[in-house]
Amino acid sequence: DVKVTQSSRYLVKRTGEKVFLECVQDMDHENMFWYRQDPGLGLRLIYFSYDVKMKEKGDIPEGYSVSREKKERFSLILESASTNQTSMYLCASSLGRRPYGVQFFGPGTRLTVL
Amino acid sequence: EDKVVQSPLSLVVHEGDTVTLNCSYEVTNFRSLLWYKQEKKAPTFLFMLTSSGIEKKSGRLSSILDKKELSSILNITATQTGDSAIYLCADGGSNYKLTFGKGTLLTVNP
Repeated sequence: DVKVTQSSRYLVKRTGEKVFLECVQDMDHENMFWYRQDPGLGLRLIYFSYDVKMKEKGDIPEGYSVSREKKERFSLILESASTNQTSMYLCASSLGRRPYGVQFFGPGTRLTVL
Repeated sequence: EDKVVQSPLSLVVHEGDTVTLNCSYEVTNFRSLLWYKQEKKAPTFLFMLTSSGIEKKSGRLSSILDKKELSSILNITATQTGDSAIYLCADGGSNYKLTFGKGTLLTVNP
């Protein structure tokens, strides 16, 4: 079974703090993704990576950065957290350089920025 | 811009009812359409439909792709309270990415 884990289920931070969200997958998947999910807006892609050290912007990259130093790990960084970044953050991974591969999701991190 | 639209946005039914959830897509270079179920946490994969596999079934759940109408339906028969979830539809055609619809919130009451 594919396992995607995220470092925290719940996180509370203050405005202006630097926040790291970590994601690890154990199935040797090439592709990894970060989404945020908000009521009424659905799942929106922040960044994705199709290889180590490679990254591409998704639909809403502003205010975020990512890091992929190892194949199994993909980090999302909020350089200076703001209240409008309060959300559920979901990490996913998929196999291979296929444009239509099934993505497998982690359990999510609910981030609250005060 | 590619677009995926789901309907209805929410639905309340009683146990034992049959439900049909809809997904329409406006995408270039269609390759696949995926369905996910999301309960309290991570979306879990249900089905992937492609040009060579337009109908899938698993237990009480089934899904059909209509390439002519650019749409898909997800059917759930004999619903149970455990079917209560958000059901997400996604286009899987664009450069590793999935484009998700906003989801349908299904509530099954006992």
